[in-house]
Amino acid sequence: GNSVTQMEGPVTLSEEAFLTINCTYTATGYPSLFWYVQYPGEGLQLLLKATKADDKGSNKGFEATYRKETTSFHLEKGSVQVSDSAVYFCALSDLDGGATNKLIFGTGTLLAVQP
Amino acid sequence: NAGVMQNPRHLVRRRGQEARLRCSPMKGHSHVYWYRQLPEEGLKFMVYLQKENIIDESGMPKERFSAEFPKEGPSILRIQQVVRGDSAAYFCASSGSIYSDQPQHFGDGTRLSIL
Repeated sequence: GNSVTQMEGPVTLSEEAFLTINCTYTATGYPSLFWYVQYPGEGLQLLLKATKADDKGSNKGFEATYRKETTSFHLEKGSVQVSDSAVYFCALSDLDGGATNKLIFGTGTLLAVQP
Repeated sequence: NAGVMQNPRHLVRRRGQEARLRCSPMKGHSHVYWYRQLPEEGLKFMVYLQKENIIDESGMPKERFSAEFPKEGPSILRIQQVVRGDSAAYFCASSGSIYSDQPQHFGDGTRLSIL
């Protein structure tokens, strides 16, 4: 079945450091891939998405490239800020011939950025 | 507010009581998804509904849980005879179409605590 594997946290970085959060997936079809961010006490907000191989999603300085050959969708940011502290979820969506566009989530990675 | 609205934000119940969680999707969205987030875990799909129809309830526990999305009014997730293990954050998401490249938009969730 479909699944998402995400690097474990917490990830602790100093402000302006480079961020990578690894995400790999298993899917039987042609999934769309997403990164969501969850701030404390809030719901999930869509950060970026990519719908086909080699697409690059980007938003607010974050980027992720859909790599079909390595089944990966790693999240990167060149210079993190304290305000980026949150939990980041990698997810895939794949109808796979069915009727449900449900999201399959990774376990989430807590990012803590220190000033 | 044009976003997904969930209420209540926090709900406390004693064991054996009923919990009713409400979700109003984004304006124009007719696809509603419910997810459950257990402590320290990612979100897990529960049920997918369109107006007046349950399309996929494969993630819903077989007993005590039910969901509806009536023609008028919000979607309701109902948990009867709650137990301690039902304590979790329940998130609703909506989308405008079934296609996997269309992102789901999440509400802020209902945090259910069972005493």
